[in-house]
Amino acid sequence: KQEVTQIPAALSVPEGENLVLNCSFTDSAIYNLQWFRQDPGKGLTSLLLIQSSQREQTSGRLNASLDKSSGRSTLYIAASQPGDSATYLCAAPGGRLTGYQKVTFGTGTKLQVIP
Amino acid sequence: NAGVTQTPKFQVLKTGQSMTLQCAQDMNHEYMSWYRQDPGMGLRLIHYSVGAGITDQGEVPNGYNVSRSTTEDFPLRLLSAAPSQTSVYFCASSYDPLRNTEAFFGQGTRLTVV
Repeated sequence: KQEVTQIPAALSVPEGENLVLNCSFTDSAIYNLQWFRQDPGKGLTSLLLIQSSQREQTSGRLNASLDKSSGRSTLYIAASQPGDSATYLCAAPGGRLTGYQKVTFGTGTKLQVIP
Repeated sequence: NAGVTQTPKFQVLKTGQSMTLQCAQDMNHEYMSWYRQDPGMGLRLIHYSVGAGITDQGEVPNGYNVSRSTTEDFPLRLLSAAPSQTSVYFCASSYDPLRNTEAFFGQGTRLTVV
């Protein structure tokens, strides 16, 4: 069974700080990994999809990396802003053992950026 | 584009009642799935479908039924609601998770079973 863990569960930083969110997964035979943002009471918004053949993917101030061999992904947020406050989730499909169609989510990192 | 549309947004049920949560997407996506989100548990996969006529169980399928008669629609049925099914339910779709395409989510249905 694919298991996805996110550390830390919560993070509070001052505005302007660069920060890193961590995601680890147990079945490394994945095709891709996706990072989402969830605002309170809302659905999930896709931020970045990083393919297994890629090591990094960038969108604006966001950069996601993927290291399949160690079962880890990181989401780097540069120059954080109060509008970045949200819960960030990573999701990984199962690999050969788990089943490719079954996507597993981490429990998320709740980020608060203080003005 | 509407994307993924879920109805209703809120629902209160009495124990033992049945209901169907609706999910529709207009992106011609093959893959659709249902998740429930509970505090401290993250999102857990209930059922998924890889195309019309094909469904399979996820991590927490008990108490839920699904069918996929069209590409666009993937309803989730609760046959006899229980308080343990109080949760926020999300529907998602993607072209194919194996082809590295991103998933799109609906805005969720907040269900309370009393």
